[in-house]
Amino acid sequence: QIELQQSGPGLVKPSQTLSLTCAISGDSVSSNSAAWTWIRQSPSRGLEWLGRTYYRSKWYNDYALSVKSRITINADTSKNQFSLHLNSMTPDDTAVYYCARGPIAAGAFENWGQGTLVTVSS
Amino acid sequence: SFELTQPPSVSVSPGQTASIACSGHKLGDKYASWYQQKPGQSPVLVIYQDNKRPSGIPERFSGSNSGNTATLTISGTQAMDEADYFCQAWDSGNVVFGGGTKLTVL
Repeated sequence: QIELQQSGPGLVKPSQTLSLTCAISGDSVSSNSAAWTWIRQSPSRGLEWLGRTYYRSKWYNDYALSVKSRITINADTSKNQFSLHLNSMTPDDTAVYYCARGPIAAGAFENWGQGTLVTVSS
Repeated sequence: SFELTQPPSVSVSPGQTASIACSGHKLGDKYASWYQQKPGQSPVLVIYQDNKRPSGIPERFSGSNSGNTATLTISGTQAMDEADYFCQAWDSGNVVFGGGTKLTVL
């Protein structure tokens, strides 16, 4: 059974960088059949896919255009986890952030983390 | 840009059939997935590849996708099915979610 456990702060100041981590159990971050994904949800934006990292002989990243200039997603194979870093945070980035296990090709997100409510406020 | 449109709300009586539509340009040419989300919880996948159910999802959940519309159908709706439902598809390497439909069982 695959489980994703998120960790990270719930409060970030404007202009700072958000860093969240998602620890994986029951699968490997280096799996050839999964993409490790971050999705956020807010009343104003709904569910919004932010990006992903996946391994296919080397590491690849895909990012949503809306955050492409501010986002980094990377994997830590020694800890079997992956992380989200989103810089220059503004109040508009206030949302519940989820990590998820998804497909490399088009498909669905079968496993989700528990979600982290991140508030951007001074 | 590609968008998915859902009705904000659908109501159904217990035991009846609920249908939730998701529309997008040529959505039938893509795979549609559906998620159930209850208050304070993470989304749960209930339908993938248009009409497949993950392990553990009751048979009363089914899906279809043709033309510009994907449909989630819940047969014999139960009170526990009251939740928000979101459709999702991929377009040109990007993931798109619908705005969600609140299903009320009354």
